[in-house]
Amino acid sequence: GAVVSQHPSWVICKSGTSVKIECRSLDFQATTMFWYRQFPKQSLMLMATSNEGSKATYEQGVEKDKFLINHASLTLSTLTVTSAHPEDSSFYICSARDPGLMNTEAFFGQGTRLTVV
Amino acid sequence: QKEVEQDPGPLSVPEGAIVSLNCTYSNSAFQYFMWYRQYSRKGPELLMYTYSSGNKEDGRFTAQVDKSSKYISLFIRDSQPSDSATYLCAMSASSGNTGKLIFGQGTTLQVKP
Repeated sequence: GAVVSQHPSWVICKSGTSVKIECRSLDFQATTMFWYRQFPKQSLMLMATSNEGSKATYEQGVEKDKFLINHASLTLSTLTVTSAHPEDSSFYICSARDPGLMNTEAFFGQGTRLTVV
Repeated sequence: QKEVEQDPGPLSVPEGAIVSLNCTYSNSAFQYFMWYRQYSRKGPELLMYTYSSGNKEDGRFTAQVDKSSKYISLFIRDSQPSDSATYLCAMSASSGNTGKLIFGQGTTLQVKP
């Protein structure tokens, strides 16, 4: 099946710095990717929809200037957490759907655990 | 009210038991229903996918959708310790690759040997 790769799998950064997370579709072209955030023992909360070649669509309450999304190619979307603070510490997961498949199966990356100290 | 409600558990069962996991939802536009399994510190992996109402079986797993009641279920037969994970239901109104998924809170399952 289709594979989505996310990198890095974990990162620790200092408060005030920025962190970039990459999400790649390995064997299909994804015009749309999704970024989720997950707190411990909670569900995945959709942050934004990343659209190739255009601006991302952010969910209500998500700061677009803090969570910068770039989808510059059909196989790569990046999420940059700018000026990170301890409250941004979370598990970030991307997903994409293969437009070549009949169903709506979404493939997920391995997730990135961000710890801001 | 959340769009998708799921009992977070935790749910603890002995090995070999039948497990029933459920979600309710409020948006009647949802037509595509999925169950994902997530191990600790990993991304979710798709277990079952169902379109509209009905049943679908895959090995030890059976997914049921009752759109009239806005209720979906996942049954696990002959549960194994390796089934211990968090199970997330997810739903979408759109079949296209741009349709976003709405997730339940996830139910933590522990299968004891």
